[in-house]
Amino acid sequence: LAKTTQPISMDSYEGQEVNITCSHNNIATNDYITWYQQFPSQGPRFIIQGYKTKVTNEVASLFIPADRKSSTLSLPRVSLSDTAVYYCLAGAGSYQLTFGKGTKLSVIP
Amino acid sequence: EADIYQTPRYLVIGTGKKITLECSQTMGHDKMYWYQQDPGMELHLIHYSYGVNSTEKGDLSSESTVSRIRTEHFPLTLESARPSHTSQYLCASTPRGGLQETQYFGPGTRLLVL
Repeated sequence: LAKTTQPISMDSYEGQEVNITCSHNNIATNDYITWYQQFPSQGPRFIIQGYKTKVTNEVASLFIPADRKSSTLSLPRVSLSDTAVYYCLAGAGSYQLTFGKGTKLSVIP
Repeated sequence: EADIYQTPRYLVIGTGKKITLECSQTMGHDKMYWYQQDPGMELHLIHYSYGVNSTEKGDLSSESTVSRIRTEHFPLTLESARPSHTSQYLCASTPRGGLQETQYFGPGTRLLVL
């Protein structure tokens, strides 16, 4: 499991696009990049997963450059309900998921 | 989205009591996990299972035990609860053939030991 680094916190106004970048310099060839969202008093929720280039689903987009040493989670037009902690993971088949402290996103009205 | 259930959602219990936290999933996932998380803190893996009759300890030492007699059921037991066990316990599972980084979490059990 590669070590990941992401900002501790971010603030954004409602309606803006939010980009959270995660650094994973030691990512291995087989590693996938996975993002989770966690609201207070709830379990984490799987958001998106990718290996390279760009992945998009109904919730977010994930951008991964060619060197794969970083990734960016993009949340379009955030609302107050997107206030949560976002975790970035990089690994492949390891049972030892390390969620770290994540990025606490605060959406401001 | 996976259906994974945890009961009870909240539990207040006295020191020394035996408790079992239930976790069930209806999606046939083979891998299941238990995490412990204090408010505002990181998640820590305490137990995991690759399938029936398979259980392993995670990276955080825990006095709890688990069993996996059926694929869909992964209960966690504390033989003698203590105030230091007060925490949120989260159960998760991974679809068959899926990466272990793809985990679906239950709603959690908030435990308070007095």
